[in-house]
Amino acid sequence: EAGVAQSPRYKIIEKRQSVAFWCNPISGHATLYWYQQILGQGPKLLIQFQNNGVVDDSQLPKDRFSAERLKGVDSTLKIQPAKLEDSAVYLCASRRSATSGTANTGELFFGEGSRLTVL
Amino acid sequence: AQSVSQHNHHVILSEAASLELGCNYSYGGTVNLFWYVQYPGQHLQLLLKYFSGDPLVKGIKGFEAEFIKSKFSFNLRKPSVQWSDTAEYFCAVNGDFNKFYFGSGTKLNVKP
Repeated sequence: EAGVAQSPRYKIIEKRQSVAFWCNPISGHATLYWYQQILGQGPKLLIQFQNNGVVDDSQLPKDRFSAERLKGVDSTLKIQPAKLEDSAVYLCASRRSATSGTANTGELFFGEGSRLTVL
Repeated sequence: AQSVSQHNHHVILSEAASLELGCNYSYGGTVNLFWYVQYPGQHLQLLLKYFSGDPLVKGIKGFEAEFIKSKFSFNLRKPSVQWSDTAEYFCAVNGDFNKFYFGSGTKLNVKP
């Protein structure tokens, strides 16, 4: 099966500019995650979608970050305006849904990531 | 809130040495536990996972991990590392509502 697709792989912008990242999860995966991974740190959850609804965006800096998953399939993460501290790899991951009535024991599948450098 | 601690940030081993990477989590409920690996230039991949049953789980490439509930730990082990195991290793916890939390990672360098 095809994996999680992300684009662009690399992006260099100046501070105060805007940028958008795109993610297409594995077909049929209802849950989609965006993580931020700063160099030397582990992935930090930014936002989690279940189909086209937001489950958790408590760590998303909403004054500059936004994300959407309008049709419950692919998703876009936008940063506007970017700051120097936004330099990071933005990871998209997806997870299959559990069978009705059972606990979900599935893992996350990750894309290659989008590396953002803000100058 | 859930959190994950990985205490070894950078480990250097010679080939054939044994490996143990520590992972502790904080969460009072039922958890699923995972180890992911990121080889240089590649995306995060699953090494192994625990969700129930035998607390000793085996993964790919000879890795295993042991879940010790009383210690809130899920340490990763490999009896004999190879140069190709050079990578960064992340422990992750999944508790409520499909949420996943990751540790800060351990960079492993295996010297040939």
